[in-house]
Amino acid sequence: QQQVKQSPQSLIVQKGGISIINCAYENTAFDYFPWYQQFPGKGPALLIAIRPDVSEKKEGRFTISFNKSAKQFSLHIMDSQPGDSATYFCAASGTDKLIFGTGTRLQVFP
Amino acid sequence: DVKVTQSSRYLVKRTGEKVFLECVQDMDHENMFWYRQDPGLGLRLIYFSYDVKMKEKGDIPEGYSVSREKKERFSLILESASTNQTSMYLCASSLGTGGIKKRPQHFGDGTRLSIL
Repeated sequence: QQQVKQSPQSLIVQKGGISIINCAYENTAFDYFPWYQQFPGKGPALLIAIRPDVSEKKEGRFTISFNKSAKQFSLHIMDSQPGDSATYFCAASGTDKLIFGTGTRLQVFP
Repeated sequence: DVKVTQSSRYLVKRTGEKVFLECVQDMDHENMFWYRQDPGLGLRLIYFSYDVKMKEKGDIPEGYSVSREKKERFSLILESASTNQTSMYLCASSLGTGGIKKRPQHFGDGTRLSIL
């Protein structure tokens, strides 16, 4: 009930393409769904977050799509750039604690 | 900007040693967290503190303890280090309890700990 399942484990995309990372959760009490971006040698940094009363949130080239009935949410990176190469973590929470997915390593090739 | 500082980037210790990992945040945050990060396992919560001297076990507390004597400082202690505790350790802080706006966590850059 407390798990967040993330896929794929790794993703290779060409520059200009769309990167899509998916997450699924079980606990219907979760009410906050952030995505974190982590570059090598750095800690994760908050990228974008969504609440379950919103089906989509966009910030620049990054979009979260949220499907409450399916208990799924996904990160779309439009016009992917080599600088987007990083590890991405989804997370979910219903309290102060976050439950993290297992991470997706994204590589964007020129 | 919130700054979370972890005292060491790399640390090498021996089996059986008592190990201290230190974390300091500069934004007067109520909550502080310790995670370990392992490939394929994501971030797993070890301990959480919501106030000075207050702590709560996370998902994997065995073999670890914590100390929070001052609001800005949160220490992770490996009582008797073992090789299976070789990992990346991440500290984070968040504003506090009471709503979604206080939940975003800010991370330090991690301590890569090797136990030989």
